Amino acid sequence: EAQVTQNPRYLITVTGKKLTVTCSQNMNHEYMSWYRQDPGLGLRQIYYSMNVEVTDKGDVPEGYKVSRKEKRNFPLILESPSPNQTSLYFCASSTGTSGRYNEQFFGPGTRLTVL
Amino acid sequence: KNEVEQSPQNLTAQEGEFITINCSYSVGISALHWLQQHPGGGIVSLFMLSSGKKKHGRLIATINIQEKHSSLHITASHPRDSAVYICAVSFGYNTDKLIFGTGTRLQVFP
Repeated sequence: EAQVTQNPRYLITVTGKKLTVTCSQNMNHEYMSWYRQDPGLGLRQIYYSMNVEVTDKGDVPEGYKVSRKEKRNFPLILESPSPNQTSLYFCASSTGTSGRYNEQFFGPGTRLTVL
Repeated sequence: KNEVEQSPQNLTAQEGEFITINCSYSVGISALHWLQQHPGGGIVSLFMLSSGKKKHGRLIATINIQEKHSSLHITASHPRDSAVYICAVSFGYNTDKLIFGTGTRLQVFP
């Protein structure tokens, strides 16, 4: 089944403890992206990647890191999480190298709480 | 600042009604997306538009580049259409960054 998977789906952690949220797609998509969703603010883009080893900042990249070493995986790294990073996170992928011209396929979301 | 505004924020309808959700943006764009977020939280892409009109089943999306405005129409609405509908745009042609509206919550009652 074609899908985008995220792990973990739920995570409660403490301030300053490094964590990684994994994202994997099995559709051979070139474009991948991370978003966060907060009440009243909606979805905001964190980082995106147009291909392996090519990443760029979205609207709210501060406090996050990404890497794209393989086409299928696009992990989101929080080196020192803070409570304001408590949010619902979505990973997405699409065909082609442009997320703006192609349909995006979203993962199920990861609910992160930072205490 | 590049902004995206959706209206209305909340919308209720009776089954069978024609629904219109609006999205306005502040400056020129290269592409606009409509997304649907189900009550369970999952997000599905409905349309990508850079001009004109697209139709899929009971859903129709239009965009007016000059007026900086897009509409999502649902014909013969059904309770299963109840969801949050989100507009997202890419401003300009030099970036793949997407900026999102805050969504329109639609409830369709039988």
